Amino acid sequence: NAGVMQNPRHLVRRRGQEARLRCSPMKGHSHVYWYRQLPEEGLKFMVYLQKENIIDESGMPKERFSAEFPKEGPSILRIQQVVRGDSAAYFCASSPRDRGTGEQYFGPGTRLTVT
Amino acid sequence: LAKTTQPISMDSYEGQEVNITCSHNNIATNDYITWYQQFPSQGPRFIIQGYKTKVTNEVASLFIPADRKSSTLSLPRVSLSDTAVYYCLVGRLTGGSYIPTFGRGTSLIVHP
Repeated sequence: NAGVMQNPRHLVRRRGQEARLRCSPMKGHSHVYWYRQLPEEGLKFMVYLQKENIIDESGMPKERFSAEFPKEGPSILRIQQVVRGDSAAYFCASSPRDRGTGEQYFGPGTRLTVT
Repeated sequence: LAKTTQPISMDSYEGQEVNITCSHNNIATNDYITWYQQFPSQGPRFIIQGYKTKVTNEVASLFIPADRKSSTLSLPRVSLSDTAVYYCLVGRLTGGSYIPTFGRGTSLIVHP
């Protein structure tokens, strides 16, 4: 059973461009979480999605950031008009449908660098 | 959201037992306590989770007192490969969904 896949692993964007980060959850997992980690800091929750639904986006900035988890295909975290402060590692995690208690499986992350 | 407080760093030696304590004074009734391990440039890895009393698995033990305002992760006989950052999480259950809150983590360095 393949683990959580994220791509790209590294992404470089210039200020003002768009960044699209992809996450494929583990097989059979229908819950996806996105986190952001700044250097020397812990992970900050951004958004929690189930298939075709955003369940909790309380950690997501109100502007420029959006997330989706379509019926088919990976979950996408989209950052429009990136700024240097968006440079960070973005992690995706998935959990099985029947586990609401918090055991999550993390991907290797996408390291976004904004120049 | 319940906030967690844990030591910023700890040092240990191979073969010793390591105990990392996390404070979560305002933990809510439906909050679980979860610990993750993270190596540099990798995603966190689930270690153990509990609600109350003691939980043990093949990797670690988790001790939670009756008031649940703190918890202690115990790593028996650490090795150099246990050098990592350890996060204590307290997450809320909302409608069956678990939203975890990561703290700053404890950087554990195991010396030969």
